[in-house]
Amino acid sequence: GAGVSQSPRYKVTKRGQDVALRCDPISGHVSLYWYRQALGQGPEFLTYFNYEAQQDKSGLPNDRFSAERPEGSISTLTIQRTEQRDSAMYRCASSLGENRGMGTQYFGPGTRLLVL
Amino acid sequence: DAKTTQPPSMDCAEGRAANLPCNHSTISGNEYVYWYRQIHSQGPQYIIHGLKNNETNEMASLIITEDRKSSTLILPHATLRDTAVYYCIVRVRKAAGNKLTFGGGTRVLVKP
Repeated sequence: GAGVSQSPRYKVTKRGQDVALRCDPISGHVSLYWYRQALGQGPEFLTYFNYEAQQDKSGLPNDRFSAERPEGSISTLTIQRTEQRDSAMYRCASSLGENRGMGTQYFGPGTRLLVL
Repeated sequence: DAKTTQPPSMDCAEGRAANLPCNHSTISGNEYVYWYRQIHSQGPQYIIHGLKNNETNEMASLIITEDRKSSTLILPHATLRDTAVYYCIVRVRKAAGNKLTFGGGTRVLVKP
């Protein structure tokens, strides 16, 4: 079946603009995670949803970052007033849910964001 | 979640076994050991996990020491496509919210 998909795959924007990154998880997966990955480093946790509820947003760096998953499926990560330091690969992952299986996370291809 | 320590890099000959060590001396009794890998610019890929028993699947074997303070991921017959960064992650299996905390990983280069 289809894996996790993300769009756009590449996004170039000017400093100060808002961007919205989309994640479409694997069908039936109730848990959805957002990570950010700088070049040469491992992914860094941003936020997590169980169904439509945002359970943990401790990794969001500041209030310019927000995420939603209104119907418990597709999620959007929004960055307002982008800054150059926001440039990174943004990765989404989904899992069946911690009470089903061992919570293995399946990652999407990522969205590479470049803020000029 | 417990911190892990891995060598930053290692080389391996194609067709030979690759043994990737990981230290997790502060692991708690309810924490699992997970291994993921990331090939070039792709998203991380789950490999295997274990609690205290050795585990094997079609990709690799996981050997966990009796005191659970360290583990070894074994790729039995490394191929060039196994060149990747390998991450050892220790985490609790909770009812919800099992975020993955990635360290530096081990950059494995499989050479012909």
